[in-house]
Amino acid sequence: GDSVTQMEGPVTLSEEAFLTINCTYTATGYPSLFWYVQYPGEGLQLLLKATKADDKGSNKGFEATYRKETTSFHLEKGSVQVSDSAVYFCALTTNTGGFKTIFGAGTRLFVKA
Amino acid sequence: EPEVTQTPSHQVTQMGQEVILRCVPISNHLYFYWYRQILGQKVEFLVSFYNNEISEKSEIFDDQFSVERPDGSNFTLKIRSTKLEDSAMYFCASSDRDRGYEQYFGPGTRLTVT
Repeated sequence: GDSVTQMEGPVTLSEEAFLTINCTYTATGYPSLFWYVQYPGEGLQLLLKATKADDKGSNKGFEATYRKETTSFHLEKGSVQVSDSAVYFCALTTNTGGFKTIFGAGTRLFVKA
Repeated sequence: EPEVTQTPSHQVTQMGQEVILRCVPISNHLYFYWYRQILGQKVEFLVSFYNNEISEKSEIFDDQFSVERPDGSNFTLKIRSTKLEDSAMYFCASSDRDRGYEQYFGPGTRLTVT
């Protein structure tokens, strides 16, 4: 079945460091891909999305490119801030049947000042 | 911007009791979903709902769970006889075809079963 695999955390970085969180997926058909962010004690916020191959999603300095050939959607940011500390979830939404969203396990990011 | 709302934000119940979690999806959306997140774990799909019937459900969504759209605005998740392991954050989401089925999530209801 469809699945999402993302790198395990926690990831600890210093402020202004470069961030990469790897995400790969397995899916039939052509899913849409998403990154969600969850701050402590809060719900899920959509960070960025890409709906077809080679699309690049971007928001708040984060970006990710839908790579069909490598079935990947890695999240990157050039310079992280302390306020970026959160859990990041890679996810896909199927385009058949119930259109459910399948989430990766989440990667916790700590950014130190 | 329209948003999905959920009530209550936190529900505490005793094992064996019935609970109903409520959601108000975005008004012109046609597809509705429930997900859960056990503390510290990943978000898991429970059920999708379209045209007044279940489209798909996971193996988690057993006979203890049911969903309903009792009127034109609410979407509910009922757990008939809660177990300790039902303690989790429950998220409602909705989507529509015109936005590529992008799902909008509510803030969640934290269910604590004691």
